[in-house]
Amino acid sequence: ETGVTQSPTHLIKTRGQQVTLRCSSQSGHNTVSWYQQALGQGPQFIFQYYREEENGRGNFPPRFSGLQFPNYSSELNVNALELDDSALYLCASSLDLGAGTEAFFGQGTRLTVV
Amino acid sequence: AQTVTQSQPEMSVQEAETVTLSCTYDTSESDYYLFWYKQPPSRQMILVIRQEAYKQQNATENRFSVNFQKAAKSFSLKISDSQLGDAAMYFCALGEYGNKLVFGAGTILRVKS
Repeated sequence: ETGVTQSPTHLIKTRGQQVTLRCSSQSGHNTVSWYQQALGQGPQFIFQYYREEENGRGNFPPRFSGLQFPNYSSELNVNALELDDSALYLCASSLDLGAGTEAFFGQGTRLTVV
Repeated sequence: AQTVTQSQPEMSVQEAETVTLSCTYDTSESDYYLFWYKQPPSRQMILVIRQEAYKQQNATENRFSVNFQKAAKSFSLKISDSQLGDAAMYFCALGEYGNKLVFGAGTILRVKS
């Protein structure tokens, strides 16, 4: 059973550019959530996908968008990058939407916007 | 709105000793879970322990246990017999239906040999 994998691990982008981050969910998991973790802070919920549909969104602007594919892998897209978008982006997959279901996290993508 | 507060930015413990990390939360829901996640320097979040709000009995996982005080909305983590490998950032998190987690700001735990 493979775990959650994210790519790339590190990325440097220029302000105003666009970026796509990728996440392969754990085998059998149909739910993927994305979090933004600024330096020294706790992760903040961006959005969640369940069976290819968006299932909730945190307090992030529309330039943060996502997709979930039929194999339940997922992408996070960020347009018009701003310096404050520099953060660790974490993907978590889970078996279902239950409140107590364990979320399995990837190692994250470190995005630096210059 | 759900909130999670960790008031200890950093804690230190001697190897083999016991340490308690504090967490308070707020939610209007009656059905929820509380979690402690560990984030080592490798960055990957690892679930340490979870507690269902409906269960009065405190959860225990080997050296890790919680003190869940529902009325006070308090959820502390006790680590017994601390080991060097326990050094990490610890996050308290609140989860409701939909499994969207609300995290606290974290507590850095340092273990001294």
